[in-house]
Amino acid sequence: SQTIHQWPATLVQPVGSPLSLECTVEGTSNPNLYWYRQAAGRGLQLLFYSVGIGQISSEVPQNLSASRPQDRQFILSSKKLLLSDSGFYLCAWTPGAALEAFFGQGTRLTVV
Amino acid sequence: GQNIDQPTEMTATEGAIVQINCTYQTSGFNGLFWYQQHAGEAPTFLSYNVLDGLEEKGRFSSFLSRSKGYSYLLLKELQMKDSASYLCAAPYGQNFVFGPGTRLSVLP
Repeated sequence: SQTIHQWPATLVQPVGSPLSLECTVEGTSNPNLYWYRQAAGRGLQLLFYSVGIGQISSEVPQNLSASRPQDRQFILSSKKLLLSDSGFYLCAWTPGAALEAFFGQGTRLTVV
Repeated sequence: GQNIDQPTEMTATEGAIVQINCTYQTSGFNGLFWYQQHAGEAPTFLSYNVLDGLEEKGRFSSFLSRSKGYSYLLLKELQMKDSASYLCAAPYGQNFVFGPGTRLSVLP
């Protein structure tokens, strides 16, 4: 069966510090991978998606970046965090386009 | 472009029936998903409609009308654990567009 792992679950970081969130998927090959952010009480905002190794598409210009160094690994990074980067970050995968999405447990990021 | 709209909040009583509506405007249609998200947790899949009509799955049912750009999620025999946000989502290319979510509060 397929599983998705996302870590850490919670993170408190000072403004200006770097960020690295990691997500890995097991039990499938060539998944579509996604990073979403959710502000408190709001919907999901798509940040990045990837349909293959090294292929990253950005939906929202910001100080975040994403990388896919391996087929089932998706990393969200920042060189310098802003207060506005606080939120709930979710990694997700799908077997392909227009198919059910499976989400990681999420990372609660607080920038102080 | 894609646009999805849902009511922000709803309140219902334990044991009752509640209907959560979702309207969408999409360029191209590839079905509509419903997800449940408890506070502080990840969304989990509830249902998927690609054809018009009602899909029933236990206490939860989902309806779709493609001509009207409209879907609803019907929750029967509400339980306290059904208090959560309910998100509708439409596939768009390789992505999804999510609605803002409807926060449902179930009261005793």
